[in-house]
Amino acid sequence: AQTVTQSQPEMSVQEAETVTLSCTYDTSESDYYLFWYKQPPSRQMILVIRQEAYKQQNATENRFSVNFQKAAKSFSLKISDSQLGDAAMYFCAYRSQGAQKLVFGQGTRLTINP
Amino acid sequence: EPEVTQTPSHQVTQMGQEVILRCVPISNHLYFYWYRQILGQKVEFLVSFYNNEISEKSEIFDDQFSVERPDGSNFTLKIRSTKLEDSAMYFCASSDTHSGGIGGYTFGSGTRLTVV
Repeated sequence: AQTVTQSQPEMSVQEAETVTLSCTYDTSESDYYLFWYKQPPSRQMILVIRQEAYKQQNATENRFSVNFQKAAKSFSLKISDSQLGDAAMYFCAYRSQGAQKLVFGQGTRLTINP
Repeated sequence: EPEVTQTPSHQVTQMGQEVILRCVPISNHLYFYWYRQILGQKVEFLVSFYNNEISEKSEIFDDQFSVERPDGSNFTLKIRSTKLEDSAMYFCASSDTHSGGIGGYTFGSGTRLTVV
């Protein structure tokens, strides 16, 4: 079974600085998808960024980018120019190609210091 | 932007009681899901639902749980006889493609269930 591990329960960063959240996963599959979800105090899970495993190019969405290292099974999230609104729980998630369920990590609580 | 709506936001129920959690998925979505998050723990998959039947379920989703799409808009999760360990945040999600496509799912804001 696939597992996702986020080794940083909490992280903090100064506003306007850059922060990187770590995620590793374990799988024997070659085709899959990886996601980062944000859960603000409103509790809704919001998709931040996604990556297809067959793509070598790292995904980027505005201030959010990933460092996808397939061989190392690592999928970190970089947030540049951190803003107060970025404060939230961030979850890394894995989904097998063709499967329906997401497998989540434990989450990292990100605090932005003004 | 379309939203997945969950009601109620918080429900307290006595152990042994039946509870129904309600969700209104995005109107043109065809695939529906329930996840739960016990306080301080991971978000866990419960069940997926398509074409009026369960398409996948986890080991958590035992006979105490059931899902239903009673009409064209609602998607419900029923827990027949609640236990203390059912206390959690329950998230509904929907997607317009199988497996959520590359875009992932749209989640609701969750229902916090407290069993006392």
